[in-house]
Amino acid sequence: DGGITQSPKYLFRKEGQNVTLSCEQNLNHDAMYWYRQDPGQGLRLIYYSQIVNDFQKGDIAEGYSVSREKKESFPLTVTSAQKNPTAFYLCASSMGPQGRQHNEQFFGPGTRLTVL
Amino acid sequence: AQRVTQPEKLLSVFKGAPVELKCNYSYSGSPELFWYVQYSRQRLQLLLRHISRESIKGFTADLNKGETSFHLKKPFAQEEDSAMYYCALGAGTASKLTFGTGTRLQVTL
Repeated sequence: DGGITQSPKYLFRKEGQNVTLSCEQNLNHDAMYWYRQDPGQGLRLIYYSQIVNDFQKGDIAEGYSVSREKKESFPLTVTSAQKNPTAFYLCASSMGPQGRQHNEQFFGPGTRLTVL
Repeated sequence: AQRVTQPEKLLSVFKGAPVELKCNYSYSGSPELFWYVQYSRQRLQLLLRHISRESIKGFTADLNKGETSFHLKKPFAQEEDSAMYYCALGAGTASKLTFGTGTRLQVTL
C-alpha cells in the first residue's frame, strides 16, 4: 500500500519539552516537506528536503529541526525554542524538480500537536 | 519574494450557482500555479495545475500573467464541492511551493 504516513495523529507535550513528529513515504519520492497549518494562515513551509542528507529552511524554521538520513523518512523535531508550537503539522512528498517543472505534492494525514 | 493572496476566507454559494475562487500571486519570473483541495476528513490533494490546462470535477483555472491571477471557476456548484481550497505557487528551480491562506467554499441548497 503506497503512500505517505504521519505518526502520531495526536500529540501532547508539556512546555519545555522537545517532541519529534514522524513522516514516512514509500512513493520513492526524492523531495519531502513539512508545513504548519493554522486557521486563517494557510500552509506555511517549515523545512524541505530535495535529496537525502540535504535540507533547507522554509519560511518559519525557527524552533524546528529536521533530518533526512533516509529517502523514506523526514522527521520533524519541535524544540522548546518554538514559541507557539500548538498547531496541525502536515508532511508532504514529491518527485524531485524536473527542470523548471514543479511536481505534485502528496500529503500525509497530519499530526495535531498540543502544548499543555 | 513569492506571495500568494486568496482574498476570501469564506465563499458561500447556492447549489447550481457559478463559483469563482480568487487567487493572485506575486513573482517576477515564470510561475507555476496549482489549486489544492481539502475535503472534510480527507487529505490535502492536488485539484489542478495550470500547465495541464484541463478541467477537473468541472473546475477550470486560467493563468493570467497580465493580472497575475489564477482564479478557480466552476459554472454550476455542487454540494460535494464544499471544501477548503488552496492556491499554490511554484517558482524557480527549488521544488517548494508557496501556499495562500485558503478559501472555504460552502455550497448550500
